[in-house]
Amino acid sequence: EDKVVQSPLSLVVHEGDTVTLNCSYEVTNFRSLLWYKQEKKAPTFLFMLTSSGIEKKSGRLSSILDKKELSSILNITATQTGDSAIYLCGAGSYQLTFGKGTKLSVIP
Amino acid sequence: DVKVTQSSRYLVKRTGEKVFLECVQDMDHENMFWYRQDPGLGLRLIYFSYDVKMKEKGDIPEGYSVSREKKERFSLILESASTNQTSMYLCASSLTGAKNIQYFGAGTRLSVL
Repeated sequence: EDKVVQSPLSLVVHEGDTVTLNCSYEVTNFRSLLWYKQEKKAPTFLFMLTSSGIEKKSGRLSSILDKKELSSILNITATQTGDSAIYLCGAGSYQLTFGKGTKLSVIP
Repeated sequence: DVKVTQSSRYLVKRTGEKVFLECVQDMDHENMFWYRQDPGLGLRLIYFSYDVKMKEKGDIPEGYSVSREKKERFSLILESASTNQTSMYLCASSLTGAKNIQYFGAGTRLSVL
């Protein structure tokens, strides 16, 4: 059975802190791992990572995949209240298995 | 921009009713998906479709069926709604191939009373 585990499940930080979100996966048919941000609406795509190990960056967010450890991290530096959301990780090929998500709360 | 549109944001139905949730995408994507999202359980795949008239069961298909008569439209059907189907339902679509990014609709929050 395919499995994706995210940790922590919830996190409260102060503005300006740096956070690291974790995602580990065990899927039978792996092509990529995707990160999404979900506020009170549709999950929006952040990054797609493959076994190439190339780090992806977008502003204060960055992510990388460790193919040996079958895991990925999502880093957010200098957090802002607008980063408060549920962060979802999904792994697989065209069919993805998702973790339960990490709920991040950034307080002023 | 990819657009995935779900017909209703909020829906309230009675136990035993037949419920249709509609999803339309405008990017000619081959693959479409229905998930439900519940607190503490994350996103769980109900059904997916990789082509018109094709469908595959996901992890939790019981109590649901789907229909894909046209490429852009994927419908989720609750034949006889039950209270344990109260949930947020999310539709997604993607291309087949290397860029298998799934794009999500805004979701339908269904309450079954």
